[in-house]
Amino acid sequence: DAKTTQPPSMDCAEGRAANLPCNHSTISGNEYVYWYRQIHSQGPQYIIHGLKNNETNEMASLIITEDRKSSTLILPHATLRDTAVYYCIVRVTILNRDDKIIFGKGTRLHILP
Amino acid sequence: DSGVTQTPKHLITATGQRVTLRCSPRSGDLSVYWYQQSLDQGLQFLIQYYNGEERAKGNILERFSAQQFPDLHSELNLSSLELGDSALYFCASSVTPSLYNEQFFGPGTRLTVL
Repeated sequence: DAKTTQPPSMDCAEGRAANLPCNHSTISGNEYVYWYRQIHSQGPQYIIHGLKNNETNEMASLIITEDRKSSTLILPHATLRDTAVYYCIVRVTILNRDDKIIFGKGTRLHILP
Repeated sequence: DSGVTQTPKHLITATGQRVTLRCSPRSGDLSVYWYQQSLDQGLQFLIQYYNGEERAKGNILERFSAQQFPDLHSELNLSSLELGDSALYFCASSVTPSLYNEQFFGPGTRLTVL
């Protein structure tokens, strides 16, 4: 079970790119990197995931280092509505019966006006 | 709006009681997951059902149980409630049994045990 390390909090100015780092130095070859976010007291929201290559969708970009030991979630033009806790998770896609999903504590991102 | 519905939104009960939380997945989703989020523990996976069958089990207490019905809605039963069970309980759904591929979360049920 690869663990992730994220900074507890970050600030970013509105309109700037928010770059959220995640370390996952013990990631296995078949484990994906997933990002979710949770806006205060709402259900978590899926953002993006990737295995090796960089990925981009309408919400964000995911940059995974070549050795896969770390990644960065990029919100290109942060808005106040992006203020949330961001979770980085590494897992295989199909779990064994007794596997446990661990969201961790995430990074609390504050977008400053 | 994720398309996942949960009822009730709020629930206040006393220690020792039993409650049932209900979840309706998005149309077409066969997999349902339950999570507990308390202030000191963060978001914890409890259990997953796929097409009526239990698929994966996380940190679910023996006092808790769940099931998924033929119409794919799911219920989480919490019994012999303790103060520490006060938390937000989220349900999520996805099309496939793969736990991380884009789960859609409901708005949650806030349980308060007094």
